[in-house]
Amino acid sequence: DAKTTQPTSMDCAEGRAANLPCNHSTISGNEYVYWYRQIHSQGPQYIIHGLKNNETNEMASLIITEDRKSSTLILPHATLRDTAVYYCIVRVYNAGNMLTFGGGTRLMVKP
Amino acid sequence: DADVTQTPRNRITKTGKRIMLECSQTKGHDRMYWYRQDPGLGLRLIYYSFDVKDINKGEISDGYSVSRQAQAKFSLSLESAIPNQTALYFCATSDPVAGGLTDTQYFGPGTRLTVL
Repeated sequence: DAKTTQPTSMDCAEGRAANLPCNHSTISGNEYVYWYRQIHSQGPQYIIHGLKNNETNEMASLIITEDRKSSTLILPHATLRDTAVYYCIVRVYNAGNMLTFGGGTRLMVKP
Repeated sequence: DADVTQTPRNRITKTGKRIMLECSQTKGHDRMYWYRQDPGLGLRLIYYSFDVKDINKGEISDGYSVSRQAQAKFSLSLESAIPNQTALYFCATSDPVAGGLTDTQYFGPGTRLTVL
C-alpha cells in the first residue's frame, strides 16, 4: 500500500469547516483513498473512501486531485465531537486485508 | 459501531492465564478481523477470517489463537497471557465493494486487556 503524509495536528473552530490534507504521491492506479478516525481509545470509525472522483456522504466530503497524488477530507461543520485522530490510508484489496494506520492528524475542534 | 460488539470491554488478568475475547456482529459480513493497538502505535493485524471455514494468520499471530464459531462470531484466545500482550484489542468486519476490488472495515468498541 502507498505511503501517506499528513500533518501531525490541526485546530479548527467549532462550526467551521475542517479541511484535512493528505499526500499520497506514490499511489497506484488501483489504490483507493480511505479516511478513518479514532476518538480516544475507541474503535476506528470509517468515514469515506474514493478512487478518482470526489465523494460526499453524511459525514464528510473527499476531494481527490486530478493526478490523485493528494486528497482533502472536509468536515463541513465541525463539532466538538469531531475531535479525533484522522487517518488517511491508500490501499487495494489484497489477501492480507490489513489496514495500516500511519501517524494520522490529531484534529482539535475548539469552542 | 453498535453492529459490532466486543466482550469484555475491560479485562485484567495474570501472567499464564488463558483468556478469551469475543466479537459478535450483526452486519452480515463474511470477513472478520482481530487487531491490537499499543499506545501511540497503529493497528496490527493478529488474525483474519473470510468465512467460517477460513482462518488466516496476520502480522502478529504468535501467542494467539482464534475460533470462527459462526458467520457472526469470531473469538480471540490468549493461551498463556504475558505482560507484553497488554493492549487494546479491536475486532472488525468488512464487506467487499467495487466488485471486490476493495473493502470497508467496521470496528468494534475495543477490549482493554491488562496482563499483570
